[in-house]
Amino acid sequence: LAKTTQPISMDSYEGQEVNITCSHNNIATNDYITWYQQFPSQGPRFIIQGYKTKVTNEVASLFIPADRKSSTLSLPRVSLSDTAVYYCLVGDENNAGNMLTFGGGTRLMVKP
Amino acid sequence: GAVVSQHPSWVICKSGTSVKIECRSLDFQATTMFWYRQFPKQSLMLMATSNEGSKATYEQGVEKDKFLINHASLTLSTLTVTSAHPEDSSFYICSMRPEGRKAGQQPANQPQHFGDGTRLSIL
Repeated sequence: LAKTTQPISMDSYEGQEVNITCSHNNIATNDYITWYQQFPSQGPRFIIQGYKTKVTNEVASLFIPADRKSSTLSLPRVSLSDTAVYYCLVGDENNAGNMLTFGGGTRLMVKP
Repeated sequence: GAVVSQHPSWVICKSGTSVKIECRSLDFQATTMFWYRQFPKQSLMLMATSNEGSKATYEQGVEKDKFLINHASLTLSTLTVTSAHPEDSSFYICSMRPEGRKAGQQPANQPQHFGDGTRLSIL
């Protein structure tokens, strides 16, 4: 299983760009990288998914280097409402085990 | 799209009570559904995987006779915590993965869609 490692916590200020890196040294060829956001007392919400290079949507960007052993979630100009726990998961929907294993996540605190 | 409704959102009950949690997809179908448990300040832990029309698969250490899962249809799964005790108090979350992805649809690897969880407190 492709285990993921993330920083336990990060602090930022409103308006700053936040980059959260996830290490997944054992990523398999068919594995995708998916990031979720979780607010207290809520279920996780899908943020972004990628396989290689860069993916961007309306809320975030995901940078994946050529070796795919890590990925970086980039949140532009964070606000207080971005305070949450962010999880990265690695896996292949045809081999669901990895996609269901949540690591510790990164607790992001955005300050005014 | 891909909305998962879970209820109740919170339950407080006496020890020995059985509690049923319902998870329903509102705008998609899912052959496979997942149930997680999350303790305070901890990550999500997968409890079981249910497939429509067959028995659920439980993770190691999860008692199948205590946590009954019924995957009644492609849009509904229920988790019943039988004879709940204080140590069963936790945050329970369901998730589903949509079926029938269209060609070229993004994301390519279908992510899970989660309910908003059920806070279970056993007195």
